[in-house]
Amino acid sequence: NAGVTQTPKFQVLKTGQSMTLQCAQDMNHEYMSWYRQDPGMGLRLIHYSVGAGITDQGEVPNGYNVSRSTTEDFPLRLLSAAPSQTSVYFCASRPGGRGYEQYFGPGTRLTVT
Amino acid sequence: AQTVTQSQPEMSVQEAETVTLSCTYDTSESDYYLFWYKQPPSRQMILVIRQEAYKQQNATENRFSVNFQKAAKSFSLKISDSQLGDAAMYFCALGGGTSYGKLTFGQGTILTVHP
Repeated sequence: NAGVTQTPKFQVLKTGQSMTLQCAQDMNHEYMSWYRQDPGMGLRLIHYSVGAGITDQGEVPNGYNVSRSTTEDFPLRLLSAAPSQTSVYFCASRPGGRGYEQYFGPGTRLTVT
Repeated sequence: AQTVTQSQPEMSVQEAETVTLSCTYDTSESDYYLFWYKQPPSRQMILVIRQEAYKQQNATENRFSVNFQKAAKSFSLKISDSQLGDAAMYFCALGGGTSYGKLTFGQGTILTVHP
């Protein structure tokens, strides 16, 4: 049981490049989310999904796209990277229902130059 | 909108002593949950403790306990018998009961443990 996995662990992009951050979970969790962590700001929600085929925006969705074609996978796409997207990105999952904790992946450190 | 505020950017404690990390929050929901997560230098987010808003009893997990003051919207974390391995960033987080798992995080508190 690998839990929540993310690839890559580190990435450097040039401004304007696109890329996809991968996230997968093997716990059959219904809910999945993407957060970004910036110094002094905690973690902020980018997008989330309540099931395959269903996604919605979080607090800071601009510049990011998501899709969820399977229960297991929830990739995050940066369409045209900007220096403001330099951050640490976390994927998380949890079971449906009330009050469950979120299980986090190990994070991806992204630098946009 | 939900907000979570951690007013202590940094805290320090001597090994074996007790330290309390503060957190205040605001929400219009009556059904919500509060969490403390630990983030060591490895960057991995680890759940420390969880509190359900409708439970008056404060949650405890071994050396970790909370002081949940619902009327004051306060949710502090007490770490007893501090250990070197407790050194980390600690985040307070709020999740609404109907929020489909979305969490609102505080800014974090860096805890240093001195030997």
